[in-house]
Amino acid sequence: AQSVTQLGSHVSVSEGALVLLRCNYSSSVPPYLFWYVQYPNQGLQLLLKYTSAATLVKGINGFEAEFKKSETSFHLTKPSAHMSDAAEYFCAVSEFGGGADGLTFGKGTHLIIQP
Amino acid sequence: DGGITQSPKYLFRKEGQNVTLSCEQNLNHDAMYWYRQDPGQGLRLIYYSQIVNDFQKGDIAEGYSVSREKKESFPLTVTSAQKNPTAFYLCASSMGGLAGDTQYFGPGTRLTVL
Repeated sequence: AQSVTQLGSHVSVSEGALVLLRCNYSSSVPPYLFWYVQYPNQGLQLLLKYTSAATLVKGINGFEAEFKKSETSFHLTKPSAHMSDAAEYFCAVSEFGGGADGLTFGKGTHLIIQP
Repeated sequence: DGGITQSPKYLFRKEGQNVTLSCEQNLNHDAMYWYRQDPGQGLRLIYYSQIVNDFQKGDIAEGYSVSREKKESFPLTVTSAQKNPTAFYLCASSMGGLAGDTQYFGPGTRLTVL
């Protein structure tokens, strides 16, 4: 069975500082991995996804994530935080060969940007 | 504009009532999903459907029902059997329902039981 762990329910960084949101997954087969962002009272928007084409994945809004199989991780980073990055971030996994039974989500990390 | 619409945005229900949440997509996607979101819990899958007239239970289907009579519509009914229905409900769709397909989300419906 697949699962996702996001370390830290809240992460606070200063504007202009590096953003690092951690995601570790558990999967018995090659996974597909996703990062979504959610602004208050809105739906989820895809930031980026890993589908085995390249281990470093670039997404929207300057975010990127690196797939590390040996560490079973898919951490999300952004070199310089902006106030508009304040939101909830979700990591999700689905398994290669799995059916259309939805994504398995982590519990989310709330990113706070300090001015 | 292509996308997913959900209505209403806010919904209030009295205990013992059934309510239906609407989800419509014009992306021509085959697969549709319903998730429930609670604070600090992430998203949990309620039901999903890969094709018209077929749907499957997700992890927390008890107290919910769905139908898929049209490709573009996937309404969710929250029944009186659902013990704690107050939550944020999100509908999503994907092109083919395969594991690597991106799921696109609607804006959500916030349901409150009075």
